[in-house]
Amino acid sequence: ETGVTQTPRHLVMGMTNKKSLKCEQHLGHNAMYWYKQSAKKPLELMFVYSLEERVENNSVPSRFSPECPNSSHLFLHLHTLQPEDSALYLCASSRDRGNKYGYTFGSGTRLTVV
Amino acid sequence: AQSVSQHNHHVILSEAASLELGCNYSYGGTVNLFWYVQYPGQHLQLLLKYFSGDPLVKGIKGFEAEFIKSKFSFNLRKPSVQWSDTAEYFCAVERTDKLIFGTGTRLQVFP
Repeated sequence: ETGVTQTPRHLVMGMTNKKSLKCEQHLGHNAMYWYKQSAKKPLELMFVYSLEERVENNSVPSRFSPECPNSSHLFLHLHTLQPEDSALYLCASSRDRGNKYGYTFGSGTRLTVV
Repeated sequence: AQSVSQHNHHVILSEAASLELGCNYSYGGTVNLFWYVQYPGQHLQLLLKYFSGDPLVKGIKGFEAEFIKSKFSFNLRKPSVQWSDTAEYFCAVERTDKLIFGTGTRLQVFP
């Protein structure tokens, strides 16, 4: 365990479904992130939260909707996804933004859109 | 466009061979540099990092990396790889308070 827990580990959803990915950390970190990992592409930063406030949205389509109710939890709400959204979604946390000490990653949620 | 480049997409080595994985970035100014490793089925783990001081940094499991500012490079090295080093390796640059990753290099080590 890394200290960053993601659920579910695997998710298959239809294009008309609504689902949510969950990320939880109890490391006392103040910043949390969503990344998308697709084959043969760099990890893509999707969203950044610092002290529960969204500080960055990297041109992510509105069918992805993040939520950070407190500093320990981060959600990614999904609706009307496309097959090309199938990927590994990684959550990470760091002590603060601009943290020189790197991020702690979760194991990811493998999402398949059918 | 500013980016992080890993030119080796797939590297195959025999045990005890030496390893060097290339990483170049195109950002100017001060950067913090990282190498992460992802073993099969596992999460991304920090291998080593550089943000100041000695440009030759040592990480876990015998890995090291050298920051060469003039070449915008941060190559990863290991003198003698083991089968257990089979994994995907990602170079990352911290810039404007976020980590930007390269595409990764898949390393396969055969006994």
